Amino acid sequence: DIVMTQSPSSLAVSAGETVTINCKSSQSLLSSGNQKNYLAWYQQKPGQSPKLLIYLASTRESGVPDRFIGSGSGTDFTLTISSVQAEDLADYYCQQHYSYPLTFGSGTKLEIK
Amino acid sequence: QIQLVQSGPELKKPGESLKISCKASGYTFTDYAMQWVKQAPGKGLQYMGWINTQTGKPTYADDFKERFVFSLETSASTAYLQINNLKNEDTATYFCARGYLARYWGQGVMVTVSS
Repeated sequence: DIVMTQSPSSLAVSAGETVTINCKSSQSLLSSGNQKNYLAWYQQKPGQSPKLLIYLASTRESGVPDRFIGSGSGTDFTLTISSVQAEDLADYYCQQHYSYPLTFGSGTKLEIK
Repeated sequence: QIQLVQSGPELKKPGESLKISCKASGYTFTDYAMQWVKQAPGKGLQYMGWINTQTGKPTYADDFKERFVFSLETSASTAYLQINNLKNEDTATYFCARGYLARYWGQGVMVTVSS
């Protein structure tokens, strides 16, 4: 199974700041066939179901604000949230969708100061 | 609109069984697989596996190969998760989600296992 290592486990920032969340996979998520990276990011607000933010490492899901940016390739990926808003208070998870079982990272709790 | 509506909360005793439902609407049920995700209280998301809604074939992650059963009632556009011989550590919220890329999620079912 592919192991996803996510960091940090939590962080607290003030509104307007930029946040970076890291995700590292135990093997490459880059498909040699189409040169796409099979990495997704989900946001889970308190008491809610997860929501897909980004897939294929950098493709933003429809309706997701452009302050959410996914980047990276191979085994190292980043979710950047620029100009954090109070509504971004949530847990964030990476998940590889390269091979079954689809494994999640351990999550990052984002708190707003 | 696309919806996944799950059954209500469950309170069970160790050793009992339960069956959670996930009713899909707003799309053709057999066009997308259904995956299941566990979230223990205060913990992260854990992928349980998925079921092919065309063939009914389930695939389980290693931690869920015993006691867990995915099934379908295709005529009712409903997927099921059955947990047998419940243990305290099964206390969690269980989500269904559409497709291998989970754009749509059920609201989750809180399962409490306690004697």
